Amino acid sequence: AQSVAQPEDQVNVAEGNPLTVKCTYSVSGNPYLFWYVQYPNRGLQFLLKYITGDNLVKGSYGFEAEFNKSQTSFHLKKPSALVSDSALYFCAVRDEGTYKYIFGTGTRLKVLA
Amino acid sequence: EPEVTQTPSHQVTQMGQEVILRCVPISNHLYFYWYRQILGQKVEFLVSFYNNEISEKSEIFDDQFSVERPDGSNFTLKIRSTKLEDSAMYFCASSGLAGYTDTQYFGPGTRLTVL
Repeated sequence: AQSVAQPEDQVNVAEGNPLTVKCTYSVSGNPYLFWYVQYPNRGLQFLLKYITGDNLVKGSYGFEAEFNKSQTSFHLKKPSALVSDSALYFCAVRDEGTYKYIFGTGTRLKVLA
Repeated sequence: EPEVTQTPSHQVTQMGQEVILRCVPISNHLYFYWYRQILGQKVEFLVSFYNNEISEKSEIFDDQFSVERPDGSNFTLKIRSTKLEDSAMYFCASSGLAGYTDTQYFGPGTRLTVL
């Protein structure tokens, strides 16, 4: 069965520094991977996805993610963090042969001024 | 930019009561979903719906749950007899016709509190 793991419950980073939010996956077929962000009292906002092609995927708000097949990782990155990036970030994978998304447990990002 | 909307934003109900959560998906989307997130836990899939029928459902989606697209715009989730453990944030999502590669867009959620 497909799964994703987010090993860090919380990541703290200083404003202006690069940030990384980690995600590893386990799939039996082609990985369809997604990142979403959840601000307080808001829904899940789509950031980016990897389906095929270039391993570096660029998304909304300056975020990008690197698909690494050998390490089965799909880490979310941003070169320079903003305080407004503070939120809950979810990695997700589409379950094989279905439309169902399987979400990770989420990582709370705190960007300190 | 089109978005998924949900009403109400917060619903409080007594155990055993029926609730209906409403969603308006993005207008040209054809696949619809419900997910839930119990406080502090991960987002879990409940059901997907296409062409006026359920495509797949999780083990959470038992006989107490039902979904309906009563008209061309709304998509509803009904819980027939709510339990305390149904308290959660319920998210509606929709996606278009690109198949498995398409992105699901989520609404802001309805927080359901069962007392």
